[in-house]
Amino acid sequence: RKEVEQDPGPFNVPEGATVAFNCTYSNSASQSFFWYRQDCRKEPKLLMSVYSSGNEDGRFTAQLNRASQYISLLIRDSKLSDSATYLCVVNIESSYKLIFGSGTRLLVRP
Amino acid sequence: EPEVTQTPSHQVTQMGQEVILRCVPISNHLYFYWYRQILGQKVEFLVSFYNNEISEKSEIFDDQFSVERPDGSNFTLKIRSTKLEDSAMYFCASSEALAGGYEQYFGPGTRLTVT
Repeated sequence: RKEVEQDPGPFNVPEGATVAFNCTYSNSASQSFFWYRQDCRKEPKLLMSVYSSGNEDGRFTAQLNRASQYISLLIRDSKLSDSATYLCVVNIESSYKLIFGSGTRLLVRP
Repeated sequence: EPEVTQTPSHQVTQMGQEVILRCVPISNHLYFYWYRQILGQKVEFLVSFYNNEISEKSEIFDDQFSVERPDGSNFTLKIRSTKLEDSAMYFCASSEALAGGYEQYFGPGTRLTVT
């Protein structure tokens, strides 16, 4: 089983749509969770950390369900500039490394 | 806003040659990392570095790889004898501390092409 699993997409949505991405992780010792975005051939950029209580940053809302080992990202009112690959990322307790999912590609069309 | 910087942006080398990839982490950060991403694949952890020593490394980080912090600002990744399969994007990252959710910030990457 993959350590971090994501639907590869692509998700093709019109501007203004709401889109949701899901991610599951296999290691119950995972302690920190993030969403990064990656544009083509660029570096991963931190979008937001994901907290147990859920958190929101503008149009972006992240949720964590530790019991189901499931993380989600909701994007409201999609913009053309949201087109990118969204990476679900996990850190395991007592480890320094980030474990990346393969990413979900989002295409926002006019 | 402080950024991680990396040089060069693109390095082409012949199989068997040594390469050194350079990074300048964010100035008040204490933890440094190297990751790589083979084209079309996911980002993979190579090594983490703290207090002038390796704190964790992956199976990929074998004897042909080494890291160094030669001065107060640079952090380098050396590949001693490059192989074709080392062709990838190499990202340096840094974080302020282990606390705070391990937020790591990535540099723009060095694209390594081994011919």
